[in-house]
Amino acid sequence: DTEVTQTPKHLVMGMTNKKSLKCEQHMGHRAMYWYKQKAKKPPELMFVYSYEKLSINESVPSRFSPECPNSSLLNLHLHALQPEDSALYLCASSQDGGHGADTQYFGPGTRLTVL
Amino acid sequence: QKEVEQDPGPLSVPEGAIVSLNCTYSNSAFQYFMWYRQYSRKGPELLMYTYSSGNKEDGRFTAQVDKSSKYISLFIRDSQPSDSATYLCATPGSSNTGKLIFGQGTTLQVKP
Repeated sequence: DTEVTQTPKHLVMGMTNKKSLKCEQHMGHRAMYWYKQKAKKPPELMFVYSYEKLSINESVPSRFSPECPNSSLLNLHLHALQPEDSALYLCASSQDGGHGADTQYFGPGTRLTVL
Repeated sequence: QKEVEQDPGPLSVPEGAIVSLNCTYSNSAFQYFMWYRQYSRKGPELLMYTYSSGNKEDGRFTAQVDKSSKYISLFIRDSQPSDSATYLCATPGSSNTGKLIFGQGTTLQVKP
C-alpha cells in the first residue's frame, strides 16, 4: 500500500484564522515532506522531516509551522495567512530521504483558499 | 538555465496514438529520474522511476534515459482519454537531501 492521506480535502479560512493540515502514512517511511503547488506550476518544497527531525526549511514564512508528532504523522499549522497563500498543499513521504534513489509518494492534497 | 526543462504543452493527440513526453537536464551527475502523473486538482501519482541509462517498461508506459544527451522520455502506447493529465518529470539531482527538482509539467489531452 503506497497511500498517503491528507485532511481536510478543502479548507477556506480568513486571514486571522488558525487552522491545521494533517497528513498520515503507514508505509513505515521515515521522511515526510510538505509542498505548495500553484495552478499550472510544479510542486514547491516547503519542509522536509527526516526521522522526525526538521531537516529542510525552504525559507518558508513563519505563518506556516510544521510539526511531526511521530513517524506516521505530519501537521502544518497555519496562522495569519495571506490570500496569495491560497494553493494546493501536498504531503509526501519516502523511505528515509537520505539518498538519491528515494522515491516520494504524494497524498491527494488539501486545497486551501485564504479570504 | 533550469536544471530540468520540460515543454509545458499542451499536447493534444487522438485516442490510440503513441505519446512522447520529454525532459532535458543540465547536470550529467543526475542519475535517478521519476515520472509523475497529476490529474486536475489531485496529488501527483508516481508512474515510473528509472536509474541510470536504458529503458524501463510497465504496461503501456516506457521510461527512457539517454545520459549522453541528458534527455529523459516517457512513452505512452495506445493512449486513452483517461491518460489526459499533467505529466511531471523529477529528479533528486545530485543531492541526498530528498529535495526533488521538477520539470514544469506537460499537459496532455487525449481526444476520443
